[in-house]
Amino acid sequence: GAVVSQHPSRVICKSGTSVKIECRSLDFQATTMFWYRQFPKQSLMLMATSNEGSKATYEQGVEKDKFLINHASLTLSTLTVTSAHPEDSSFYICSAEDDSYTDTQYFGPGTRLTVL
Amino acid sequence: EDKVVQSPLSLVVHEGDTVTLNCSYEVTNFRSLLWYKQEKKAPTFLFMLTSSGIEKKSGRLSSILDKKELSSILNITATQTGDSAIYLCAVPYRRYKLTFGKGTLLTVNP
Repeated sequence: GAVVSQHPSRVICKSGTSVKIECRSLDFQATTMFWYRQFPKQSLMLMATSNEGSKATYEQGVEKDKFLINHASLTLSTLTVTSAHPEDSSFYICSAEDDSYTDTQYFGPGTRLTVL
Repeated sequence: EDKVVQSPLSLVVHEGDTVTLNCSYEVTNFRSLLWYKQEKKAPTFLFMLTSSGIEKKSGRLSSILDKKELSSILNITATQTGDSAIYLCAVPYRRYKLTFGKGTLLTVNP
């Protein structure tokens, strides 16, 4: 149980294009999902908290117009990197909090984004 | 400012050794502490600890929380090369959000 999927696992795109990443909780409901970014040899950096049915909450310094988050259902959140630039290249990881087990977050496998 | 500190930052051992990883925290309104293992992809959940002194065990891994010392340890016995990974400790702060330590990079050599 407690599986979170992410799609795609890897994406390469040209500068200026937009990229959408999906995060799904496969066997549990998640009112709250999280989007993280991880640079090489660094720990996870929380970008935003995604709440089903309401607007996402962004961490300080994260541009909400650049990183669009939509949490359309209790099992799906999407992150769209708009007008991507090479500095957006990173490992993006989502996590989902099981509604039945507060505080326990399960992570997706991550998406490696490379912007040329 | 809430924080989570892990030690050591890196550790190299031989197969069969036992290792102990440390995590100390300073957070207001402590609720729980979580351990994750991160290999090449995203972290996988290991343990969630809420009560002091109660050991959680999964195979060769075990963990315990000490609320008095504001710390937790993660033990791995009879290490194998497949245990090589970054082990992350995290503590929730405010509502829902996790503060992560920098992790301990464990390398198990054959």
